[in-house]
Amino acid sequence: SQQGEEDPQALSIQEGENATMNCSYKTSINNLQWYRQNSGRGLVHLILIRSNEREKHSGRLRVTLDTSKKSSSLLITASRAADTASYFCATDSNNRLAFGKGNQVVVIP
Amino acid sequence: GAVVSQHPSRVICKSGTSVKIECRSLDFQATTMFWYRQFPKQSLMLMATSNEGSKATYEQGVEKDKFLINHASLTLSTLTVTSAHPEDSSFYICSALLQGPYQPQHFGDGTRLSIL
Repeated sequence: SQQGEEDPQALSIQEGENATMNCSYKTSINNLQWYRQNSGRGLVHLILIRSNEREKHSGRLRVTLDTSKKSSSLLITASRAADTASYFCATDSNNRLAFGKGNQVVVIP
Repeated sequence: GAVVSQHPSRVICKSGTSVKIECRSLDFQATTMFWYRQFPKQSLMLMATSNEGSKATYEQGVEKDKFLINHASLTLSTLTVTSAHPEDSSFYICSALLQGPYQPQHFGDGTRLSIL
């Protein structure tokens, strides 16, 4: 069943700006993961944040997790044209991933 | 590391044909693989969990006789769409799981299936 649910958004930003996406879920999780998907391709893992972590960084990516609100956010700083893609959050419950609806991000050079 | 190869990338065939899709973990062993389905502009829906050496676990609403899964080795899982019909046209994606706690899934590049 779908658990991760992003605010269904299509973000269009200028290169160099930051992009923020949010995700909410409904049940308990082991961890939450963010993935990226280029058009017509498979998914690339970006960040995994455990249920006992609140924030995690990886390069230009910053993920937060608020288990009390059952929500997460992904921030991409200093965006580049190559960041244009769809971004999905996924909740992990016993290795079964439930994906959100995804956010389409377009970075304009 | 952790590369997953999915083949074929694109299939176009007539209604009634059975189609087999392969998912291989190239540089690691995967006791567990997953099969997803994605319709245009929608999210991924988990279809089944493929377990090496045992029967696959199907999600509710997924017909096991329609979508046959075989995971005969630690590096290969196959999904066969039997007697495919136009409504089976979709993007099918597999993933493989590294052993150990807090491991992400590693995805293949997907198979675009078009049934005429």
